[in-house]
Amino acid sequence: KNQVEQSPQSLIILEGKNCTLQCNYTVSPFSNLRWYKQDTGRGPVSLTIMTFSENTKSNGRYTATLDADTKQSSLHITASQLSDSASYICVVSPRNYGGSQGNLIFGKGTKLSVKP
Amino acid sequence: DTAVSQTPKYLVTQMGNDKSIKCEQNLGHDTMYWYKQDSKKFLKIMFSYNNKELIINETVPNRFSPKSPDKAHLNLHINSLELGDSAVYFCASSQVLTPAYEQYFGPGTRLTVT
Repeated sequence: KNQVEQSPQSLIILEGKNCTLQCNYTVSPFSNLRWYKQDTGRGPVSLTIMTFSENTKSNGRYTATLDADTKQSSLHITASQLSDSASYICVVSPRNYGGSQGNLIFGKGTKLSVKP
Repeated sequence: DTAVSQTPKYLVTQMGNDKSIKCEQNLGHDTMYWYKQDSKKFLKIMFSYNNKELIINETVPNRFSPKSPDKAHLNLHINSLELGDSAVYFCASSQVLTPAYEQYFGPGTRLTVT
């Protein structure tokens, strides 16, 4: 069964500190892996998107890594800011036969709280 | 100039009623989607429309019906609402229906069925 598991479920850090969020998936074969940021009461916003052949992708203070062999991804946030407080969702897109989109498979998310 | 917009943002209604949620995108995208986010925060796809054609229809009750008057709009109609329909519903769009393209989400509609 295709699944996406994220850890930790929640995380509290102090402003200015770094943190790393984890994502393990069992989706295979997959087309790409995405990280989304979802602020409370808002829709998800894309941070990074990586194909199965990419190892890392950065977007400002956000850096995502991907190890397709171990089926793991991480999202590293550098020099955290109060505005980073949100849920971070790992999403995997299966590669169905014929190359069609298939359904995106969402993780439950990690709720990050950045405290002053 | 919101890219993907939804109305209403909040919807409170009683069991058995029929309601609609509207979605519009001004990105010129060919594909639009409806997602449901339940209390456990999982996002699950309900429908996607590509050039006004239904592409994906997950195991969603037929009380839910998407309606697309044109490429920029995908409305969600819900008949005979049930308590379990309470959730946040997100509309999204992407340029085309391929894995490489990004999906842009609307702000969500929180539906509460009493």
